[in-house]
Amino acid sequence: GQQLNQSPQSMFIQEGEDVSMNCTSSSIFNTWLWYKQDPGEGPVLLIALYKAGELTSNGRLTAQFGITRKDSFLNISASIPSDVGIYFCAGQTNSGYALNFGKGTSLLVTP
Amino acid sequence: SAVISQKPSRDICQRGTSLTIQCQVDSQVTMMFWYRQQPGQSLTLIATANQGSEATYESGFVIDKFPISRPNLTFSTLTVSNMSPEDSSIYLCSVEGGTGDDEKLFFGSGTQLSVL
Repeated sequence: GQQLNQSPQSMFIQEGEDVSMNCTSSSIFNTWLWYKQDPGEGPVLLIALYKAGELTSNGRLTAQFGITRKDSFLNISASIPSDVGIYFCAGQTNSGYALNFGKGTSLLVTP
Repeated sequence: SAVISQKPSRDICQRGTSLTIQCQVDSQVTMMFWYRQQPGQSLTLIATANQGSEATYESGFVIDKFPISRPNLTFSTLTVSNMSPEDSSIYLCSVEGGTGDDEKLFFGSGTQLSVL
């Protein structure tokens, strides 16, 4: 599978700050997904995007599916300590196909 | 969303032995996948578990090392055979749930494998 380019690799921020991370690919995807993984757990789906240009929110999280279909970003507003974890972007070419993952963004939030 | 139960959640094994990981879903799903996540790394697809036929393996993964069963639409197993310390990873089962625009891929909580 293709490796997506996810940045930044890690972030160390203070509680209350906003966070932005993004993912790019050299290939087109028809679905972009963002997951959060806590230590010792499997990834938990945060947001799924299905259409180019789509902007979707889930509480303090907002994600966008890039117009070119080759990128996506995730924003977290007013971060809190429980936002700590590793965030993965993933792209899917078509339904029924497995995901291609980014390398993850490790987020640390200090009170 | 699909509820996925993966067992065992963790295990410590001796080199040369084999471990079978089970993945049970609370509803029938067409697509089931097995991923590996090495320490500090992202997820890498091992294979697609096909119901009623042999699994489809990704480059670098072979059936002799990672035999997979998929007897029905709610259950699959992954065996890690003849283990070595390099097999120490988290192994994750993933399924595609929902329909149409609501189709999403969900993950089990993973099996943390340590090989001594």
